[in-house]
Amino acid sequence: AQSVTQLGSHVSVSEGALVLLRCNYSSSVPPYLFWYVQYPNQGLQLLLKYTTGATLVKGINGFEAEFKKSETSFHLTKPSAHMSDAAEYFCAVSPSGAGSYQLTFGKGTKLSVIP
Amino acid sequence: NAGVTQTPKFQVLKTGQSMTLQCAQDMNHEYMSWYRQDPGMGLRLIHYSVGAGITDQGEVPNGYNVSRSTTEDFPLRLLSAAPSQTSVYFCASRQPGLADHEQFFGPGTRLTVL
Repeated sequence: AQSVTQLGSHVSVSEGALVLLRCNYSSSVPPYLFWYVQYPNQGLQLLLKYTTGATLVKGINGFEAEFKKSETSFHLTKPSAHMSDAAEYFCAVSPSGAGSYQLTFGKGTKLSVIP
Repeated sequence: NAGVTQTPKFQVLKTGQSMTLQCAQDMNHEYMSWYRQDPGMGLRLIHYSVGAGITDQGEVPNGYNVSRSTTEDFPLRLLSAAPSQTSVYFCASRQPGLADHEQFFGPGTRLTVL
């Protein structure tokens, strides 16, 4: 069984400030990890993913995330927030086995950017 | 490629009505799935299919039926709609065997049941 916990359903940052969205997971096998972004009234867009290899993963729009196995975390960061980053962000996990089909999502974190 | 498409984009039903949400993909993906998104709940898996003729239940399957007669299409049926099924529905697809398990999502269907 696997689960995802996103700390903070709402996060507000000032424009230009650091964005930090937290994600912790539990999984019985090594997982693949994903961050998706959803802009208002739109579908989900993949920001970045971790499968194997380098634990610091860079994604689109200046976002990055670091996989820390010892902390079972995959926090999303961006050095300087833009107004256009206002959206809802979802962390998701999938077991790494070839026969795995399910993507388990966290409950989401809504990011507000204050001018 | 159009990717994953869903119709309709919006739908309003009365309690007890039935309807089918359509999902199609043109990427020849074997795996397709349906999720529902509710405020504060994230996305939860309703049903999934690993190929034509093969379907299985996800986390929240009650009140929904699916079938998979072709690789391209994966419709979701509500037999007797209930207000608890008011939600945004997303269809997704991926190709098994790829290393990264990335799923591709459709634009969603916003369903309101009165």
